[in-house]
Amino acid sequence: QVQLQESGPGLVKPSETLSLTCVVSGDSIATSYWWTWVRQPPGKGLEWIGEIYYSGDTNYNPSLKTRVTLSVDRSKNQFSLRLSSVTAADTAVYFCARNSQTIVGAPADWGQGTRVTVSS
Amino acid sequence: DIQLTQSPSFLTASVGDRVTITCRASQSISRYVNWYQQKPGKAPKFLIFGVSNLRSGVPSRFSGSGSGTDFTLTISSLQPEDFATYYCQQSYSIPYTFGQGTELDMK
Repeated sequence: QVQLQESGPGLVKPSETLSLTCVVSGDSIATSYWWTWVRQPPGKGLEWIGEIYYSGDTNYNPSLKTRVTLSVDRSKNQFSLRLSSVTAADTAVYFCARNSQTIVGAPADWGQGTRVTVSS
Repeated sequence: DIQLTQSPSFLTASVGDRVTITCRASQSISRYVNWYQQKPGKAPKFLIFGVSNLRSGVPSRFSGSGSGTDFTLTISSLQPEDFATYYCQQSYSIPYTFGQGTELDMK
């Protein structure tokens, strides 16, 4: 059974870069799955950030595309999110997930989430 | 971007009730609708994909229907563990988007 665990700093200063990692266990990241990041601001709904395939192919939310970079490290069985020039609006719980194989674009197996606060 | 509007946003019900949540898309999304359940402080749980297909392990009291722009999630007989927030999601086109959520509370 796959497990995902997000990690990274819980506090980031405005204008800096947020960096999070999702470690995958119980499955190889180099399989026919897409891997996704979703975030949830406090008290609000879910926002899709983007997804990455183990080959490095990516799809991004256009609203974040100029600031987001997703990457995969097959040797460490993990994938990562970098979000540059953060503001208070980027304060959220960030989830990583493995997509369903039965329908495109549906995060199926989720990490527990990691809370990130943007504040000086 | 495709907008998804859920109704109602808040719903109170009792154990044993039948409840229906609606998700309306701003344009046709074929059958690319998925449903999630989220409890406070937890990650969303993947319930239904492709309108009506239950993920393995999801109780059969959950069902989904619809096509085009209008979709529903139905819980046939509410159980105590079903009180949560429910989100629809479209995976028809990027950016994949979620509805604003329906909070289901106990009456």
